Amino acid sequence: QVQLQESGPGLVRPSETLSLTCTVSGGSISSYYWSWIRQPPGKGLEWIGYIYYTGNTNSNPSLRSRVTISVDKSKNQFSLKLSSVTAADTAVYYCAGPHTGAFLHWGQGTLVTVSS
Amino acid sequence: DIQMTQSPSSVSASVGDRVTITCRASQHISSALAWYQQKPGKAPKILIYSTSSLQSGVPSRFSGSGSGTDFTLTIISLQPEDFATYYCQQTNSFPLTFGGGTQVEIK
Repeated sequence: QVQLQESGPGLVRPSETLSLTCTVSGGSISSYYWSWIRQPPGKGLEWIGYIYYTGNTNSNPSLRSRVTISVDKSKNQFSLKLSSVTAADTAVYYCAGPHTGAFLHWGQGTLVTVSS
Repeated sequence: DIQMTQSPSSVSASVGDRVTITCRASQHISSALAWYQQKPGKAPKILIYSTSSLQSGVPSRFSGSGSGTDFTLTIISLQPEDFATYYCQQTNSFPLTFGGGTQVEIK
């Protein structure tokens, strides 16, 4: 059974870069796609982007200029960086995968608050 | 981007009721649709993928149907553990997009 766990700071200052890591256990990251998804408090779900194990990435055009997703196969981890954050980026961030379309496995989520 | 519109945004129902949630895509997405259940403070859990395929371990009272642009999630005989928020998601093309959610509340 694949399990995912997000980690990273819960508080980020405005204009700085949000950095999160997802550690995958119970399976190899060297297959399929792995995604980041976020959910602002009390709101719906927004797909941020994916990384394929080869390193190919794709992201939501609404965030593309600020998003970097990378993979570390040696650690079975993938990571998200979101630059120039504002209060609108305050959300629960989830990692999910492996997937080709639907998200079968999700991390528990981590709340990131953007505030000075 | 493909816009996903769910209705209703909320529904009040009693244990044992049949509940139907609809999801409309702004473009044809064939059968590339998934449904998720989310409870407060928890990650979404997949119920159905490819419109009508029930994820392993999900009770058979959940079913999905539709194709093209119009889709439905049906819960027959609602159980206490089914009170939650439900989301549809199109998996046809990037960016992947979700519906706004339907909250199923206790009547």
